[in-house]
Amino acid sequence: DQQVKQNSPSLSVQEGRISILNCDYTNSMFDYFLWYKKYPAEGPTFLISISSIKDKNEDGRFTVFLNKSAKHLSLHIVPSQPGDSAVYFCAANRGSNTGKLIFGQGTTLQVKP
Amino acid sequence: DGGITQSPKYLFRKEGQNVTLSCEQNLNHDAMYWYRQDPGQGLRLIYYSQIVNDFQKGDIAEGYSVSREKKESFPLTVTSAQKNPTAFYLCASRSTGIDYGYTFGSGTRLTVV
Repeated sequence: DQQVKQNSPSLSVQEGRISILNCDYTNSMFDYFLWYKKYPAEGPTFLISISSIKDKNEDGRFTVFLNKSAKHLSLHIVPSQPGDSAVYFCAANRGSNTGKLIFGQGTTLQVKP
Repeated sequence: DGGITQSPKYLFRKEGQNVTLSCEQNLNHDAMYWYRQDPGQGLRLIYYSQIVNDFQKGDIAEGYSVSREKKESFPLTVTSAQKNPTAFYLCASRSTGIDYGYTFGSGTRLTVV
């Protein structure tokens, strides 16, 4: 039962353009969402997060949008840079204090120079 | 610098052998987690611990065991009962009471030969 889904395994974008990574979830109890970036053979690093009481959060080139009615969130990277090439995971918290995160399958982003 | 250290980075195990993966953090974080990454499946939770001497099973705990005798350490043992142990293992920690963001280690690649 995949509660967090990233349906696009990969995405290729030209440098300078916008990258849009998508994530869908099924559990309406999720109240906090995060994006992580991962390079090969390394641990993921935190990128940006959003609470369910908001619909947008911005940090530099990165913006996360949340559409609760559609149970959908997206990560926008503008402008995309070659160093952004990595695997991006979205994750959701179930509203408990255990801190357990449910991760999507990941999307591999390639930014071409 | 504070961080979370996983060792070894690469580990080879013969079938039928138990093996222990190390995870140490000096971030003074209360909660620690073990995830497993397989291609196309994202990160799946194996075990987690919110406090010393206490831990709970995650979604795929069968064939694994953990201990939490010290706040800084959360070793994971992959037992011979784990049917498909070859994977990338990630340890993470989080300070409870703040946001849900994890700090991840750099991972251990376990290969059964």
